[in-house]
Amino acid sequence: DAGVIQSPRHEVTEMGQEVTLRCKPISGHDYLFWYRQTMMRGLELLIYFNNNVPIDDSGMPEDRFSAKMPNASFSTLKIQPSEPRDSAVYFCASSLAVSNTEAFFGQGTRLTVV
Amino acid sequence: SQQGEEDPQALSIQEGENATMNCSYKTSINNLQWYRQNSGRGLVHLILIRSNEREKHSGRLRVTLDTSKKSSSLLITASRAADTASYFCATEDNAGNMLTFGGGTRLMVKP
Repeated sequence: DAGVIQSPRHEVTEMGQEVTLRCKPISGHDYLFWYRQTMMRGLELLIYFNNNVPIDDSGMPEDRFSAKMPNASFSTLKIQPSEPRDSAVYFCASSLAVSNTEAFFGQGTRLTVV
Repeated sequence: SQQGEEDPQALSIQEGENATMNCSYKTSINNLQWYRQNSGRGLVHLILIRSNEREKHSGRLRVTLDTSKKSSSLLITASRAADTASYFCATEDNAGNMLTFGGGTRLMVKP
């Protein structure tokens, strides 16, 4: 398996534009997580899915953020409209189970909103 | 909010020396995990220690867990330049909450 695949690796967009980040989890993993990493706040869990169903989105900062998982092999994180304070590295991770198991991370998408 | 807090925030050592990083957390946990992040890359899982375990080894890594003090330590023995990275502890609490990461320790190993 190629691991968790995220795209794009880098995204630069203007404030107000819509941004869509994509993630392909490891095949067979039932759990998918979206994290955001910034210098100020570290790694924050935004939302996670179990079998394509969103379980906890309490970490999603605002209504401007939305995430979907239409099937077991694909998830998106959308920001609309984007703001400069959304600039961060966004990570997707997947795992076999929700408890007592390691998470496998993608390489991340570095988002810059200007 | 961050559950785990690593100490020190930054550590610089010479190749061959041992590196020790500490993690403190606040709530009861199911397990504690350590991850490594190389610059510009994703996190890579190193080791998981369950709440009923006190010590675990993996190669040059040694992790201890003291649930009474709510703390853990990661020891890297005989460090190498390739160990240069940020190291994060993450806790899975027993209230059903997912992994919560600390702020990380930036380790630099000088050749």
